[in-house]
Amino acid sequence: VQLLESGGGLVQPGGSLRLSCAASGFTFSSYTMTWVRQAPGKGLEWVSGINSNGDTTNYADSVKGRFTISRDKYRNTLYLQMSSLRAEDTAVYYCAKRGESSSWSHTWFDPWGQGTLVTVSS
Amino acid sequence: DIQMTQSPSSVSASVGDRVTITCRASQDISSWLAWYQQKPGKAPKLLIYGASSLQSGVPSRFSGSGSETDFTLTISSLQPEDFATYYCQQAHSFPLTFGGGTKVEIK
Repeated sequence: VQLLESGGGLVQPGGSLRLSCAASGFTFSSYTMTWVRQAPGKGLEWVSGINSNGDTTNYADSVKGRFTISRDKYRNTLYLQMSSLRAEDTAVYYCAKRGESSSWSHTWFDPWGQGTLVTVSS
Repeated sequence: DIQMTQSPSSVSASVGDRVTITCRASQDISSWLAWYQQKPGKAPKLLIYGASSLQSGVPSRFSGSGSETDFTLTISSLQPEDFATYYCQQAHSFPLTFGGGTKVEIK
């Protein structure tokens, strides 16, 4: 199983960015996928999740209305479209697969990608 | 939202020591709890799920216990590779939330 994030970088406040997570080594369309972020020197914060067929999503209040999670079953890729970015969105963003023995409504994460850094600054 | 409170925030220990980390949920989460290990510059790694089930490939010196609101992660004999930060995560309901982390440092 491999998850490879990309798309991070430096963006100005109010700007937009789209993160991608390329998945391989498992049946992508069978698993809930998630984004979790970690601000520099801080703890982990769940950002968003999407169910296996992409018709149900959920978001942290801190990003609701600004971020959109999606998935492409043909490309085996998870996305996070981020808009109206703020300085407090600066973090390493990890994608993660639903762990075995968990479900959409009760999810733990395994494995995680290596992360991609998003820096929001002028 | 369910708040997850870990204690201590840091612990200094020696190789061979027994280390216990506590995680308390602000409401009953049954056994919907996971533990992760994170080393500097690396992604978190799942250690324990369902409060007490050991993830495949994780050494047996790691164990988890508890239910409802009170949970513990125990490292029975600390090894050099165990120095890291540990996080709990509730999987009971959205938004999924993590504890603040416990850093295990070398004494």
